[in-house]
Amino acid sequence: EAGVTQFPSHSVIEKGQTVTLRCDPISGHDNLYWYRRVMGKEIKFLLHFVKESKQDESGMPNNRFLAERTGGTYSTLKVQPAELEDSGVYFCASSQYPWEQYFGPGTRLTVT
Amino acid sequence: AQSVTQLDSQVPVFEEAPVELRCNYSSSVSVYLFWYVQYPNQGLQLLLKYLSGSTLVESINGFEAEFNKSQTSFHLRKPSVHISDTAEYFCAVSVNQAGTALIFGKGTTLSVSS
Repeated sequence: EAGVTQFPSHSVIEKGQTVTLRCDPISGHDNLYWYRRVMGKEIKFLLHFVKESKQDESGMPNNRFLAERTGGTYSTLKVQPAELEDSGVYFCASSQYPWEQYFGPGTRLTVT
Repeated sequence: AQSVTQLDSQVPVFEEAPVELRCNYSSSVSVYLFWYVQYPNQGLQLLLKYLSGSTLVESINGFEAEFNKSQTSFHLRKPSVHISDTAEYFCAVSVNQAGTALIFGKGTTLSVSS
């Protein structure tokens, strides 16, 4: 069974540009989560989808971040326009049950 | 609100020595407790979890953690570490309701040397 995949693995963009991160969850997992780890800090929750609906987006830092999950399958997280403080590792996780989230390898975003 | 404190950011040990990675949490409601591990250049993997029942939980690779409600702790232990255990370890909690997010500690880097 394939795990959670994320694309790209690394992205380097300039301040003001747009970046879109993609997450493909494990097949059949209705729950999909986005998390972010800024250097030196803890991993922080961004938002949670149940199928295609946003269940909880309380962790989204501001309106420059837009997450979608079309058809309840893969999800994208767009940052527009990117700022320096958006640099970090963005993790996606999926789960069938809330007590067992499976994480992807992460996307390392560097904004210069 | 819930929070997690990992008291040590770095733990260097020699191979075959015992190790304890400390984790304390704060919550006014019941929680699930987790330890995740991130090996170099890999994603986070669930190491073990406490949901209910026995307060001592074990992983397949020799780690164990004990839930202590009175001390609000969930320390991770291994009696004898290997070089391959070198990784970053994250303690996390979630409120035991369906679908809620994980709240992580800042992580502890375990470095095992020969």
